[in-house]
Amino acid sequence: QVQLVESGGGVVQPGTSLRLSCAAAAITLRSYAMHWVRQAPGKGLEWVAVISDDGINKYYAGSVKGRFTISRDNSKNTVYLQMDSLSAEDTAVYYCAKDGVGVLGHFDSWGQGALVTVSS
Amino acid sequence: SYELTQPPSVSVSPGQTASIPCSGDKLNYKYTSWYQQKPGQSPVLVTYQDNKRPSGIPERFSGSSSGNTATLTISGTQAMDEADYYCQTWDSSAGVFGAGTKVTVL
Repeated sequence: QVQLVESGGGVVQPGTSLRLSCAAAAITLRSYAMHWVRQAPGKGLEWVAVISDDGINKYYAGSVKGRFTISRDNSKNTVYLQMDSLSAEDTAVYYCAKDGVGVLGHFDSWGQGALVTVSS
Repeated sequence: SYELTQPPSVSVSPGQTASIPCSGDKLNYKYTSWYQQKPGQSPVLVTYQDNKRPSGIPERFSGSSSGNTATLTISGTQAMDEADYYCQTWDSSAGVFGAGTKVTVL
């Protein structure tokens, strides 16, 4: 059973930074592309970013491009999301998800989510 | 930017069939996935690549795609299927979700 565990969420002020982590158990992440998907309170799902299995290819949603950076450390079996210049619109539960087929496939395993609240 | 359109809500009686449409420009040229999300829980993949079903997902869930519309069908709907359902595809290397459809089992 694949287990993805997000951490690093919390309450931050507008304009500051935060880094989320996604650690995996019962699976070796180095073989898979990984995504971040977020969900604002009471709203729908929004795809945020993806990183290929080797860390070379990265794609971002327009709403976060230039502010968020996805990365991975396969030696630690962990994926990261560095979030800079945060605003209230970034308040959401952030899920990491494993790609089931490639880089732009489907999300076949999800973490429990990490809540990020941006508020002054 | 690319958009996927879903109805906000669908109601179905237990044992009946629920169909959830998801429309987008030239959607039949793209793969569509569907996700189920129950309150307070993470999403779960229910179909992918238009019509494939992951292991562990009941056979009553099926997906299809034709023209500009992908459809998730729940046959013999059960009370446990009450949830939000999201379609998803890719456009220009960016993920796109529909706004979601709340399925109510009356």
